[in-house]
Amino acid sequence: GDSVTQMEGPVTLSEEAFLTINCTYTATGYPSLFWYVQYPGEGLQLLLKATKADDKGSNKGFEATYRKETTSFHLEKGSVQVSDSAVYFCALRNSGGSNYKLTFGKGTLLTVNP
Amino acid sequence: SQTIHQWPATLVQPVGSPLSLECTVEGTSNPNLYWYRQAAGRGLQLLFYSVGIGQISSEVPQNLSASRPQDRQFILSSKKLLLSDSGFYLCAWSVFTGGTGNTIYFGEGSWLTVV
Repeated sequence: GDSVTQMEGPVTLSEEAFLTINCTYTATGYPSLFWYVQYPGEGLQLLLKATKADDKGSNKGFEATYRKETTSFHLEKGSVQVSDSAVYFCALRNSGGSNYKLTFGKGTLLTVNP
Repeated sequence: SQTIHQWPATLVQPVGSPLSLECTVEGTSNPNLYWYRQAAGRGLQLLFYSVGIGQISSEVPQNLSASRPQDRQFILSSKKLLLSDSGFYLCAWSVFTGGTGNTIYFGEGSWLTVV
């Protein structure tokens, strides 16, 4: 079945550092890929998405490129801020019989220190 | 614009007591609706989804049930809570199409602690 593997945290960075959170997936068909962010005590918000190979999703300085050849969708940001501290979830939504749901990774906790 | 609300935001319930979490979506018609659970230290697990009134599919066997009495209302219930039901419950919706690129939007979540 479909699965998402993302790097385990926690990740602790200083403000203005470069961020990479790795995400790889296993899926049949042609999934769409998503990054969600969860701030403390809140629900999930969509951060960015990509719906086909080589698409780049971007938002709020974050970006991720859909790499079909490496089945990856790594999240990057050039200069993190304290306000980026949150849990980040990589997810996929597949075509075919399971297209109704998102399959999530386990989440990566990011803490940014001033 | 579309909005999703779920309540209550926080509740503490004794073992064996009933549960009812409610979720409503505004600004759209015939959405797909979902209940997810996020347990401590674990990822998000899909519990139920619904593609229409009265149509409920369960992803995992458990102590919980779901109902969709109206197009934009989704209710998560239990007759007798277990300690293992503790967690963060998230309601979500998406447009009713087959496209994988359609975003699933989440509510604010409900913290359930069973004591």
